[in-house]
Amino acid sequence: EIVMTQSPATLSVSPGERATLSCRASQSVSSNLAWYQQKPGQAPRLLIYGASTRVTGIPARFSGTGSGTEFTLTISSLQSEDFAIYYCQQYNHWPTWTFGQGTKVELK
Amino acid sequence: EVQLEESGGGLVQPGGSLRLSCAASGFTLSSNAMSWVRQAPGRGLEWVSAISGNGGSTYYADSVKGRFTISRDTSKNTLFLQVNSLRAEDTAVYYCAIKITVLYWGQGTLVTVSS
Repeated sequence: EIVMTQSPATLSVSPGERATLSCRASQSVSSNLAWYQQKPGQAPRLLIYGASTRVTGIPARFSGTGSGTEFTLTISSLQSEDFAIYYCQQYNHWPTWTFGQGTKVELK
Repeated sequence: EVQLEESGGGLVQPGGSLRLSCAASGFTLSSNAMSWVRQAPGRGLEWVSAISGNGGSTYYADSVKGRFTISRDTSKNTLFLQVNSLRAEDTAVYYCAIKITVLYWGQGTLVTVSS
């Protein structure tokens, strides 16, 4: 099983600041990596797939980079609505999708 | 537009059963692999089960193997997850999901296992 490790577990950020979230895979997942945002009581919302392709309607302040085993989600200027938990997911090794444990982005 | 809508969750006693459904629209189930993912309260996301595009192969996480069964009805374009011998640790929101270039998820259905 591919293990996805996210860091940090919690990121304290002030509005307007940049947030950088990391995700590492235990083996290569090529570019088959997605990022999700989840708020309390809601389903995960897909932000990025293919490691760097933003879903239609997702603001340009969200960007994804990386391939292989190292990935980054950057929120260039944090807005109040961006405080949430973010998960990465590998879908390279179907059927066993695996997820990171999440990074909570909280108000500093 | 691809849409997925889960149903069938509820409160069930330990050892009980439920059948979860995922009604799909905007694409044809018979041509696409589908998955179930769950999220226990306050926890992360866990892949549970998947079925191949031709329906001939099914896959399960070790935690549910032998208790859960994935299936589909292509005439109704609906995916199912039969969940038996439920345990407290199966309490979660269950999501169906598909990858068609983009990953699509439903809004989930809550299964609560409690006496």
